[in-house]
Amino acid sequence: TQLLEQSPQFLSIQEGENLTVYCNSSSVFSSLQWYRQEPGEGPVLLVTVVTGGEVKKLKRLTFQFGDARKDSSLHITAAQTGDTGLYLCAGAGRGGYNKLIFGAGTRLAVHP
Amino acid sequence: KAGVTQTPRYLIKTRGQQVTLSCSPISGHRSVSWYQQTPGQGLQFLFEYFSETQRNKGNFPGRFSGRQFSNSRSEMNVSTLELGDSALYLCASSTGTGNQPQHFGDGTRLSIL
Repeated sequence: TQLLEQSPQFLSIQEGENLTVYCNSSSVFSSLQWYRQEPGEGPVLLVTVVTGGEVKKLKRLTFQFGDARKDSSLHITAAQTGDTGLYLCAGAGRGGYNKLIFGAGTRLAVHP
Repeated sequence: KAGVTQTPRYLIKTRGQQVTLSCSPISGHRSVSWYQQTPGQGLQFLFEYFSETQRNKGNFPGRFSGRQFSNSRSEMNVSTLELGDSALYLCASSTGTGNQPQHFGDGTRLSIL
């Protein structure tokens, strides 16, 4: 069974701080996606990483896919209160691109 | 471009009943996947439909079933509801070809009394 372990589970920081969320597995994934979910809404896609070692930047967010395609990280620089939410990593594994395996999520709270 | 639409947004049922949830994908998307989200188990894959055929299936009992119509709209049915079926049910659509990402709707919140 393919599993994705996401850490930390909870993160409470002050505005302006930096943070990193990790997503690890013993399995190889063909791609990995990061989503952000707010209360009462569905997950919104932030980025998809496909190639081992790939780094993608989205404004203050930096996403990295491990060389072996087993792990990924999300780094936020100078967090803002608007970054508050549930961050989810999801891997497309052996079952097919649309059979996503999700991590448990990181609930981020950014305080002013 | 309209997003993924799920109806209804909220449902309250009692044990033993059955329920049908609906999902309209983004125009042009042929794949619809269903997920269950609970506080304890997180997001878990239920099944995926592509061109009216079930292409992938998760580890859920046979009480959970689905179908897809020729216009790519999909329905999910849960029979003989149990308290543990209370969850947010999310559907996601994609083109279904290659490594294209999935886009989620806002879900149907199902509560079982």
